[in-house]
Amino acid sequence: DAGITQSPRHKVTETGTPVTLRCHQTENHRYMYWYRQDPGHGLRLIHYSYGVKDTDKGEVSDGYSVSRSKTEDFLLTLESATSSQTSVYFCAISVGPGLAGGIDYNEQFFGPGTRLTVL
Amino acid sequence: SQQGEEDPQALSIQEGENATMNCSYKTSINNLQWYRQNSGRGLVHLILIRSNEREKHSGRLRVTLDTSKKSSSLLITASRAADTASYFCATFNNNDMRFGAGTRLTVKP
Repeated sequence: DAGITQSPRHKVTETGTPVTLRCHQTENHRYMYWYRQDPGHGLRLIHYSYGVKDTDKGEVSDGYSVSRSKTEDFLLTLESATSSQTSVYFCAISVGPGLAGGIDYNEQFFGPGTRLTVL
Repeated sequence: SQQGEEDPQALSIQEGENATMNCSYKTSINNLQWYRQNSGRGLVHLILIRSNEREKHSGRLRVTLDTSKKSSSLLITASRAADTASYFCATFNNNDMRFGAGTRLTVKP
């Protein structure tokens, strides 16, 4: 999985509790992403980061916050988990947009996923 | 909202046959990418085709892109049981990546 780990891999929590998911990379890639995957929806981008302390919202950012204090770590926090946030969460990394030497660096590498259940 | 939509949603073929999956999208793109996901695993990048390219090959994979029709196709030739997985197209435009809901491919031995 291209030097990407996610923790925890599984979590069950209750509505209203805060939850933090961690993504760790050893590739030193600049861009990191958090997605959620739900049946019938494919993957939807929650937030992404384009550098330390630089983050931006994705398509489904409501109810989520992120932080990136080091290149290798990207944290996703659910401030007060709801049942609608039950999902599988994937972290991804990429070198970053752009072309160099004929190589397109937009491809993303994904972690193994975290299955989150909010009761 | 999804950008890419794959067709068909599910495909079942015999080993050795070719598998073709289609992706349609709505807005302009910088590139289009195809990913594979085995059950319970993360996505694996297969191939990227840029908006100014029409066809690309990688091993048994062939991808075409028609920007005038806003569509792409992924062809897997001489399929194997190990190709059983879900396949997703993803459109990329100005750091906005949008995935389709995927095609579930089953290759029977």
